[in-house]
Amino acid sequence: DAGITQSPRHKVTETGTPVTLRCHQTENHRYMYWYRQDPGHGLRLIHYSYGVKDTDKGEVSDGYSVSRSKTEDFLLTLESATSSQTSVYFCAINPKRIAGGPRDTQYFGPGTRLTVL
Amino acid sequence: AQSVAQPEDQVNVAEGNPLTVKCTYSVSGNPYLFWYVQYPNRGLQFLLKYITGDNLVKGSYGFEAEFNKSQTSFHLKKPSALVSDSALYFCAVRDMNNNAGNMLTFGGGTRLMVKP
Repeated sequence: DAGITQSPRHKVTETGTPVTLRCHQTENHRYMYWYRQDPGHGLRLIHYSYGVKDTDKGEVSDGYSVSRSKTEDFLLTLESATSSQTSVYFCAINPKRIAGGPRDTQYFGPGTRLTVL
Repeated sequence: AQSVAQPEDQVNVAEGNPLTVKCTYSVSGNPYLFWYVQYPNRGLQFLLKYITGDNLVKGSYGFEAEFNKSQTSFHLKKPSALVSDSALYFCAVRDMNNNAGNMLTFGGGTRLMVKP
């Protein structure tokens, strides 16, 4: 899983509670991404980061916030979880070469299965 | 804007037969194209990609894909399917000209079932 860990791997929570998912990488990659996977929709981008404190919205960012205070960690927060946020969440990184252009391939973590009751 | 379509929710094939998983894309610039595979309860694993050059791209586990610019397609193929190839396959595209965040857009996925 490309040196990416996600925690927790499984979580069950109740509607209205805050939830934070953590993505941790060990190789100092600049670009990190959060996706959600739902049947029939493939993976949809929630937010991404291109450096410490540099983040931007993806396709389905409503109801989610992110933070990146250090290179290795990218946090996804659901401020007030809803049942529609029940999903599998994947973190990804996009390694770049040290010199020249990007490698252009995203590598994914093992995922977090979140259930909101 | 960039988008990907995988027209088949499921593809069934007998072991030993050739397989094709279809993908079409839409980008305003030049595409980077990817195939990923997902086994049960696992993350996505990179299979292959097209950036530039030869239209036939070879990847992991004997898979290959053919880039067809006129048909805006990037179909995944394998000459002889294995039962162990049964998994969920995702096609993804990145517009290399209009994409500051290196963002990928994924298709909805195609489940490949290979029967003995």
